Amino acid sequence: AQKVTQAQTEISVVEKEDVTLDCVYETRDTTYYLFWYKQPPSGELVFLIRRNSFDEQNEISGRYSWNFQKSTSSFNFTITASQVVDSAVYFCALIPGNTGKLIFGQGTTLQVKP
Amino acid sequence: DSGVTQTPKHLITATGQRVTLRCSPRSGDLSVYWYQQSLDQGLQFLIQYYNGEERAKGNILERFSAQQFPDLHSELNLSSLELGDSALYFCASSDGLAGGDTQYFGPGTRLTVL
Repeated sequence: AQKVTQAQTEISVVEKEDVTLDCVYETRDTTYYLFWYKQPPSGELVFLIRRNSFDEQNEISGRYSWNFQKSTSSFNFTITASQVVDSAVYFCALIPGNTGKLIFGQGTTLQVKP
Repeated sequence: DSGVTQTPKHLITATGQRVTLRCSPRSGDLSVYWYQQSLDQGLQFLIQYYNGEERAKGNILERFSAQQFPDLHSELNLSSLELGDSALYFCASSDGLAGGDTQYFGPGTRLTVL
């Protein structure tokens, strides 16, 4: 089965708190690609990061960081010092093999309160 | 702004009708993808075109069809509309045939079927 699970449906934090969004994926392909997208209240889908299955290096971009662990099939996303503007729905997604088909998780709604 | 454009932004129509959604990819991108986002199904891949040819198909209903034109813009045609077709339809584009390319999404077309 090829699947992405985001077990956290909704998370609410207070501004400046750190928050981690969990993502677990399933695929039998040895080559695959993982993504995170952000969907703010305006509705568009904004690309955040892409990772291929051969690159397990963690990545940091400003307040955002991603932890990719093949051993646990997880690709978690951490926002440090959250801000109100981070409030959005965040989607983890998988492209198995080279199919080009993005398989999305159900999304995690993050609410950051001032 | 991803560079992907979609028109119209909103569409309200009645059951049984037919509509056409239009997408222009980012400059230089040859692949176009269509996705449907609904409350019950989440984000689902519908179909992909590469340089005018159908490349991959997902859970696209027979009542739905798409094409990509020589200028690379794409249209998604939805016919015999049902209430359940109400959803946000996204177009995405990527730069090549490689299946793991990052897909950049347009702002979406919100379809309401009454």
